[in-house]
Amino acid sequence: DARVTQTPRDKVTEMGQEVTMRCQPILGHNTVFWYRQTMMQGLELLAYFRNRAPLDDSGMPKDRFSAEMPDATLATLKIQPSEPRDSAVYFCASGLETGNYGYTFGSGTRLTVV
Amino acid sequence: KQEVTQIPAALSVPEGENLVLNCSFTDSAIYNLQWFRQDPGKGLTSLLLIQSSQREQTSGRLNASLDKSSGRSTLYIAASQPGDSATYLCAVLTSGTYKYIFGTGTRLKVLA
Repeated sequence: DARVTQTPRDKVTEMGQEVTMRCQPILGHNTVFWYRQTMMQGLELLAYFRNRAPLDDSGMPKDRFSAEMPDATLATLKIQPSEPRDSAVYFCASGLETGNYGYTFGSGTRLTVV
Repeated sequence: KQEVTQIPAALSVPEGENLVLNCSFTDSAIYNLQWFRQDPGKGLTSLLLIQSSQREQTSGRLNASLDKSSGRSTLYIAASQPGDSATYLCAVLTSGTYKYIFGTGTRLKVLA
């Protein structure tokens, strides 16, 4: 089965440190999403890309978060500096442009900022 | 702005019961709707995808229906088992966008 791969699985870091999360979308998928899940807010969309170009990152705190796709096989989400309120599970998902076949989610990166 | 609601928020049933989970959405102009399962501490597993032109989809003991005009989808689980215990999320892809909007989920517990 094709899958979306996210690394690291878990990350514990101190406040103020830089955090980088990585995602390898399914080969051939040209749409990539970053979601954040917390108990309070549920699943929130942070950013999405089509053909490596950012289409919408309005859900992301711009002062500290950045998302990029350096190539078609890698998406990154960076937080600098990290804060305790960033603690959450971050999911990456990928799919085809029209969403015809739905989207496939990775297993997530659980981030804890202390 | 699309809003997705799931009722009930939590459900506890004895093993063997048939059950229905509900998902409602405010904008009926949708492209498709996807049901996911999430086990504690895990990612999202896709269960069923219903296109806007379809009325239902089935996979094993699961059946999902879609009534676009009333803004509702239901996930029917037949003969529930303890292994079905998880959180079930529905996500809606609104026409003209490429992003899923998620409901808050139904936390299901099936008792042996």
